[in-house]
Amino acid sequence: DGGITQSPKYLFRKEGQNVTLSCEQNLNHDAMYWYRQDPGQGLRLIYYSQIVNDFQKGDIAEGYSVSREKKESFPLTVTSAQKNPTAFYLCASRPSGTDEQYFGPGTRLTVT
Amino acid sequence: AQKVTQAQTEISVVEKEDVTLDCVYETRDTTYYLFWYKQPPSGELVFLIRRNSFDEQNEISGRYSWNFQKSTSSFNFTITASQVVDSAVYFCALSVRGQGAQKLVFGQGTRLTINP
Repeated sequence: DGGITQSPKYLFRKEGQNVTLSCEQNLNHDAMYWYRQDPGQGLRLIYYSQIVNDFQKGDIAEGYSVSREKKESFPLTVTSAQKNPTAFYLCASRPSGTDEQYFGPGTRLTVT
Repeated sequence: AQKVTQAQTEISVVEKEDVTLDCVYETRDTTYYLFWYKQPPSGELVFLIRRNSFDEQNEISGRYSWNFQKSTSSFNFTITASQVVDSAVYFCALSVRGQGAQKLVFGQGTRLTINP
């Protein structure tokens, strides 16, 4: 089955710990994206990558880091520098030549 | 600035009523794409439609229809004969391109509740 997978669906961490969220796609899409969604809010772009080994900061990149070593994978690390990390994180990918993005099921991160 | 505004934060209607979700956008681009996504309680965003700025024809897909008006920078979404399964948060988005990259700018979303 082709699609975007994010694991785990729920993640709990203690304050001060780094945590890495997984995003994998087998759609052969070049571009991948990470968004953050807070309750009652829209989606805000954290990082995006148009091709392997390249990525750019989005609107709220502070306290986050990413890597894009493989086309299929775009992991997001939430570092201890992120002041309010508790949120719902969505990963998306986009095929070349189009503008629509396709989303994974999301990871709900809770930091206490 | 590139911006999308969904002024309706929440809408609640009774099943079988028609409902329209508003979307107003701002862009300096002459060519652009607009989108609607649905976010059911499970959380995943589901792509509904893409509209090219050159095509102002209304589109209908079953009970869903979209009205794009470039003159008023609006891209409204109507659900006819609403059903409980339509309950979700709906997002309007604008495609932004620059420096070889493509991004989506999302509105704040409209939470639609269909009551039986």
